[in-house]
Amino acid sequence: GAVVSQHPSWVICKSGTSVKIECRSLDFQATTMFWYRQFPKQSLMLMATSNEGSKATYEQGVEKDKFLINHASLTLSTLTVTSAHPEDSSFYICSASGRVNTGELFFGEGSRLTVL
Amino acid sequence: GESVGLHLPTLSVQEGDNSIINCAYSNSASDYFIWYKQESGKGPQFIIDIRSNMDKRQGQRVTVLLNKTVKHLSLQIAATQPGDSAVYFCAEKVKAGNMLTFGGGTRLMVKP
Repeated sequence: GAVVSQHPSWVICKSGTSVKIECRSLDFQATTMFWYRQFPKQSLMLMATSNEGSKATYEQGVEKDKFLINHASLTLSTLTVTSAHPEDSSFYICSASGRVNTGELFFGEGSRLTVL
Repeated sequence: GESVGLHLPTLSVQEGDNSIINCAYSNSASDYFIWYKQESGKGPQFIIDIRSNMDKRQGQRVTVLLNKTVKHLSLQIAATQPGDSAVYFCAEKVKAGNMLTFGGGTRLMVKP
């Protein structure tokens, strides 16, 4: 099946650092990618929808200047958490949709961000 | 439905028993539903899906039931195994869109 890869899987950084998380579709072209955030013992919350070559669409309450999303190619989307603070510590998950069967979304393994 | 701030309910079953995990969805315009399994520290893993023109769909050891009248979805796992222990999420998608909305999730614990 289709594979979506995220990198890094875990990052620990100091407060004030900007962190970039990559999401790659390995065997298909992802016209749309989604970024989710998941706090412990909670469900996934959609942060933004990213379409290749255009600006991301952010969900209400998500700061676009805080969470920069770039979808420069059909196989790569990046999420940059700018000037990270401890409250940004979370599990970030991407998913991708492309020319694969029924529109099923494929999820990456997630990236855990810990801000000290 | 909304899940922010809620802790996951837990379903505890004996190995070999059948498990039933329930989900209530909120949008009557949703026409595609998916069950995901998420193990600790990993991304969601697709289990089974169903479209709104169906009431039931079966996979290997899993069955999804859809009741559109009451906006209810269930996942049945036959002969539950320790490897089934995980958090299970239902997700709904509105027609002509790719955005998934996730339910609150249920933690399944399988006792040996």
